[in-house]
Amino acid sequence: NAGVTQTPKFRVLKTGQSMTLLCAQDMNHEYMYWYRQDPGMGLRLIHYSVGEGTTAKGEVPDGYNVSRLKKQNFLLGLESAAPSQTSVYFCASSSHRGQGQPQHFGDGTRLSIL
Amino acid sequence: DQQVKQNSPSLSVQEGRISILNCDYTNSMFDYFLWYKKYPAEGPTFLISISSIKDKNEDGRFTVFLNKSAKHLSLHIVPSQPGDSAVYFCAASSISGGSNYKLTFGKGTLLTVNP
Repeated sequence: NAGVTQTPKFRVLKTGQSMTLLCAQDMNHEYMYWYRQDPGMGLRLIHYSVGEGTTAKGEVPDGYNVSRLKKQNFLLGLESAAPSQTSVYFCASSSHRGQGQPQHFGDGTRLSIL
Repeated sequence: DQQVKQNSPSLSVQEGRISILNCDYTNSMFDYFLWYKKYPAEGPTFLISISSIKDKNEDGRFTVFLNKSAKHLSLHIVPSQPGDSAVYFCAASSISGGSNYKLTFGKGTLLTVNP
């Protein structure tokens, strides 16, 4: 049971380069999320999606774009990478059924921008 | 403006003793609280949760207590084991406010359980 899978696990970029982080979940969850984790900052929500074809801004959306073309996939894009975007990125998903459903996380993508 | 606060960056306890991790929140709309555990190089994993209609929830060695008037919750681990050594995140959501799917996280507390 894969759960939430993030690709790639590591990446080094130069300032100004672009890239896309892929998140895939096999739990048929409606909701998906992208977070970044920085030292001493906890987890901060970048963007989220409440269903296929929908996206919404979270706490720190600037410099990122997302797409949810398929229910199982949630893509995070950096159009022009900046050193301030060096971070560990986590994708998560959760069910829309019932209340208080916990989010399930992938193992993260460690991204360094030089 | 930090809405969920974990004021202790780290905590060290002896194996077999109780670990108490604390969390405070400022947003009175929060009515559902979760604890996540995170090992290095892995994603956070859900540990235990509590609704604001309760003041205690227990699951094996883990118990979460909620004091709504003080806007405070705590996670108790008894007995603590070396495998419990990890970063623990407190998170909150507002189900009644229609944002049950969005979580606000604290900065985390690193728990070290010494053999």
